Amino acid sequence: KAGVTQTPRYLIKTRGQQVTLSCSPISGHRSVSWYQQTPGQGLQFLFEYFSETQRNKGNFPGRFSGRQFSNSRSEMNVSTLELGDSALYLCASSLARGAETQYFGPGTRLLVL
Amino acid sequence: AQRVTQPEKLLSVFKGAPVELKCNYSYSGSPELFWYVQYSRQRLQLLLRHISRESIKGFTADLNKGETSFHLKKPFAQEEDSAMYYCAASGNTPLVFGKGTRLSVIA
Repeated sequence: KAGVTQTPRYLIKTRGQQVTLSCSPISGHRSVSWYQQTPGQGLQFLFEYFSETQRNKGNFPGRFSGRQFSNSRSEMNVSTLELGDSALYLCASSLARGAETQYFGPGTRLLVL
Repeated sequence: AQRVTQPEKLLSVFKGAPVELKCNYSYSGSPELFWYVQYSRQRLQLLLRHISRESIKGFTADLNKGETSFHLKKPFAQEEDSAMYYCAASGNTPLVFGKGTRLSVIA
């Protein structure tokens, strides 16, 4: 089975721009979660999608949004980028919600200049 | 609030020595507990989870509900165990990660 894939792998943007990141889950997985990983804060939960609906959202400003499509693929969008948004953005998929094993993608490394 | 604490940022041990990576959690209800590992230049991957009670790569983890701990142990460290280790908890809320412990095994 192919693993979780994320595109693009690397991205450089400037302050004020917006960015869209994409995640394709493992085939058959319906739950997709997004995390932000930084050296200072570690892994922080952004949001969780299941059956095209956002089920949970972490403590991030409204500039961070996402969606899930009928094929379970997910995108996250960050508008009006700030320097502090520079991070590794990880996507993880699981079969279902709850205490399920999550399988992580390689991440998208975003640098905001 | 749900919280997972890994008190050590860095742990260095000699090859062949025992390893214990500490994890404490504060979580309402009975969470499922996980250890994830990230080797250099690889993606984050599951090492083990409490419910399966498996031993992966020689690692085991014991849940102590009284002390709310889920420490990761291995009797004899190998150089290939050098990596970043994250403890995580999940229940009806999203996965909550600790800040991670970097394990360095010295030859």
